[in-house]
Amino acid sequence: ETGVTQTPRHLVMGMTNKKSLKCEQHLGHNAMYWYKQSAKKPLELMFVYNFKEQTENNSVPSRFSPECPNSSHLFLHLHTLQPEDSALYLCASSQERGGANLKTYEQYFGPGTRLTVT
Amino acid sequence: AQTVTQSQPEMSVQEAETVTLSCTYDTSENNYYLFWYKQPPSRQMILVIRQEAYKQQNATENRFSVNFQKAAKSFSLKISDSQLGDTAMYFCAFMKHGRGGGGADGLTFGKGTHLIIQP
Repeated sequence: ETGVTQTPRHLVMGMTNKKSLKCEQHLGHNAMYWYKQSAKKPLELMFVYNFKEQTENNSVPSRFSPECPNSSHLFLHLHTLQPEDSALYLCASSQERGGANLKTYEQYFGPGTRLTVT
Repeated sequence: AQTVTQSQPEMSVQEAETVTLSCTYDTSENNYYLFWYKQPPSRQMILVIRQEAYKQQNATENRFSVNFQKAAKSFSLKISDSQLGDTAMYFCAFMKHGRGGGGADGLTFGKGTHLIIQP
């Protein structure tokens, strides 16, 4: 148990459906992330939120839409997905600090949502 | 952009043996962090060990230690006295230091090494 939860754990959706993935962290962190883990590629960073503001969008197609209403919750809204979007979607959180203090910022991961697009 | 390379797709050792997983990376950054994560069959990603690039001393966590060679851009993981529970995918990951004034940065992962500990 890492303090990061994700729901649902499994999701099957058709290409015309709209669904959302939810992530919640109970660690008091201020940064949250979405990663995609597919069978034939390394883990890919999708989005970064720092203090609720999106600071990075790693060239993700617009059919994936993130939302971060507060520092504890992160959503990934899905619509008109393709079969190649089937993957394990991992959420992570970390505590970020400013300045030149080179502290470690390890990320804590949730258990993931296994998404299958039919 | 950063790249992380893990050249061993799969390794298998006997229980109690020592095993070393290799990782090399490419970056133009001077300040960064390196991590090893473990992903067992449950798919839960677990941090194993971390290294700050500015530290010359190699990190150690119980049976896990790293050999960090900054000039060679190499970051290998050594597991001593391997146990059955060490069976998992192991990912090497890179993160550059946050932007000036703070800011989060994502991890760049290698493709992973599937480590199997045989009884």
